[in-house]
Amino acid sequence: GDSVTQMEGPVTLSEEAFLTINCTYTATGYPSLFWYVQYPGEGLQLLLKATKADDKGSNKGFEATYRKETTSFHLEKGSVQVSDSAVYFCALREGNDMRFGAGTRLTVKP
Amino acid sequence: EAQVTQNPRYLITVTGKKLTVTCSQNMNHEYMSWYRQDPGLGLRQIYYSMNVEVTDKGDVPEGYKVSRKEKRNFPLILESPSPNQTSLYFCASSPGLAGGPYEQFFGPGTRLTVL
Repeated sequence: GDSVTQMEGPVTLSEEAFLTINCTYTATGYPSLFWYVQYPGEGLQLLLKATKADDKGSNKGFEATYRKETTSFHLEKGSVQVSDSAVYFCALREGNDMRFGAGTRLTVKP
Repeated sequence: EAQVTQNPRYLITVTGKKLTVTCSQNMNHEYMSWYRQDPGLGLRQIYYSMNVEVTDKGDVPEGYKVSRKEKRNFPLILESPSPNQTSLYFCASSPGLAGGPYEQFFGPGTRLTVL
């Protein structure tokens, strides 16, 4: 079945550092891909998404490109802020099937 | 305000005592789902519903029941809770699949402890 694998955390960075969180997937068809963010004590909220190969999702300075050839959807940000500290989940959706990665906790220090 | 609400937010109970966690959305979404979040395992789907009176099992349905009598509500029922159901639970909703792979909107979570 479909699955999502993302890099394990925790990840600790200094403010203004470059961020990459790796995400790879396996799927039988052509899923849509998502990054969700979870701030402390809250539910998940959509950060960005891509629905087909080579699409780039972007939001709040974060970007991820749907790479079908490498089955990847890595999350990047050029300069992180303390307010970006959260848990990030990579996810895919194929029809009714929704799969999440284990989550990566990011801490950004001033 | 468009939102998904869950109640209660926190619950401590004992083994075998039936409980219900409510979930309600005000966005007229067809699709609703329940997940549990455990450390190192991410979110795992318990049950989902495509519309009123249509429900189906997710990856970890054992020990849980759901019902969808109204479009806005999707309660999660634990008939006889056990300690291995101690977890953080999330309800989510999205528009139906027709027209696009829509993202899900999540509730704030219910932290359940079963002693």
